[in-house]
Amino acid sequence: EPEVTQTPSHQVTQMGQEVILRCVPISNHLYFYWYRQILGQKVEFLVSFYNNEISEKSEIFDDQFSVERPDGSNFTLKIRSTKLEDSAMYFCASTPGELFFGEGSRLTVL
Amino acid sequence: QKEVEQNSGPLSVPEGAIASLNCTYSDRGSQSFFWYRQYSGKSPELIMFIYSNGDKEDGRFTAQLNKASQYVSLLIRDSQPSDSATYLCAVNPYGGSQGNLIFGKGTKLSVKP
Repeated sequence: EPEVTQTPSHQVTQMGQEVILRCVPISNHLYFYWYRQILGQKVEFLVSFYNNEISEKSEIFDDQFSVERPDGSNFTLKIRSTKLEDSAMYFCASTPGELFFGEGSRLTVL
Repeated sequence: QKEVEQNSGPLSVPEGAIASLNCTYSDRGSQSFFWYRQYSGKSPELIMFIYSNGDKEDGRFTAQLNKASQYVSLLIRDSQPSDSATYLCAVNPYGGSQGNLIFGKGTKLSVKP
């Protein structure tokens, strides 16, 4: 069964460092998403991406965040200057139809 | 502020019983509703979706939607210990693309052997 794959599974970084999280969505899907889940909290929408541009973004997705589809398969989330409160699980997902999540990337900011 | 509310639990049921999970949402214009299961440390896994008022059954799972009451529920029949997880209710209040969802905080279900 096709799946969304994410790397790395866990990344530890120092506050202020740049982080790039990578995702390979399911190949015939057209809409791509990033969500995050702070430990013990809700899953929160960050951004959706369609046709090589951002289609929607939440208040969380400020200027420190960016997304890119650098080639035909990868979809990346960049955090320019990480803060302690960016520590969370970051989930990539894709559609059409219902939302399928990858296994997540755990980001720990020290 | 668009909200999805769930009782955080834990909800404890004996093996073989029916587990009933409930969810309310604030945006009356919401069109699509989803139940996800999340095991500890894992990603959400889609169980069911429902778009129309009434019941929708899939195996041991039944989703129920009442748009007038802004209420969605999930029934799990013949609960198994492997059903022990957190169940997330999610709503798309925006229409259009299906993926911009608002999630509830989840209800933790524990099925005792």
